[in-house]
Amino acid sequence: AQTVTQSQPEMSVQEAETVTLSCTYDTSENNYYLFWYKQPPSRQMILVIRQEAYKQQNATENRFSVNFQKAAKSFSLKISDSQLGDTAMYFCAFIQIQGAQKLVFGQGTRLTINP
Amino acid sequence: KAGVTQTPRYLIKTRGQQVTLSCSPISGHRSVSWYQQTPGQGLQFLFEYFSETQRNKGNFPGRFSGRQFSNSRSEMNVSTLELGDSALYLCASTGLAGNNEQFFGPGTRLTVL
Repeated sequence: AQTVTQSQPEMSVQEAETVTLSCTYDTSENNYYLFWYKQPPSRQMILVIRQEAYKQQNATENRFSVNFQKAAKSFSLKISDSQLGDTAMYFCAFIQIQGAQKLVFGQGTRLTINP
Repeated sequence: KAGVTQTPRYLIKTRGQQVTLSCSPISGHRSVSWYQQTPGQGLQFLFEYFSETQRNKGNFPGRFSGRQFSNSRSEMNVSTLELGDSALYLCASTGLAGNNEQFFGPGTRLTVL
């Protein structure tokens, strides 16, 4: 069974700073996707960034980037130039490529951006 | 393209009652997955439907069931509600882009009294 672990329950930084959220996972699969989802107070789950396990290049989406270390089963999210709107719960999630569409989520990191 | 919609958004029930939640996926999406989110257990997978067939089921009691219709809309039902069923229920649909990306609806907040 796959598991996802986020070891930082809460984080807080000042606006414009850079912050890194950690995530580790465990799986025996070789082909899978990893995601970071953002859940603001509205509770709407929003995809932040996606990484295909077969790609060595780290994914980047504007201010968001990941550090994907497949051998170490690590998948951290870096937010550069943080903004007040980045305040939210962030979930790391895993899904295998073949089979049922079942996301396995970490427990989440509550990120607060302070003005 | 319209997003995933869920109805109702809020629901209050009492113990022992049953409830049905509805989810309409993004047009063209055939896979619908359901998740339960609680402060204690986090986000847990309930089940997934594809082309009206349940493909996978999470570790929930038989009181939790679902179905999918030919237009891909899905419903989940919880019978004999318990206090612990109070949660945010999220559904997500997956397209055929091959990237397994799930698009989430706004959720249904169920409170069991």
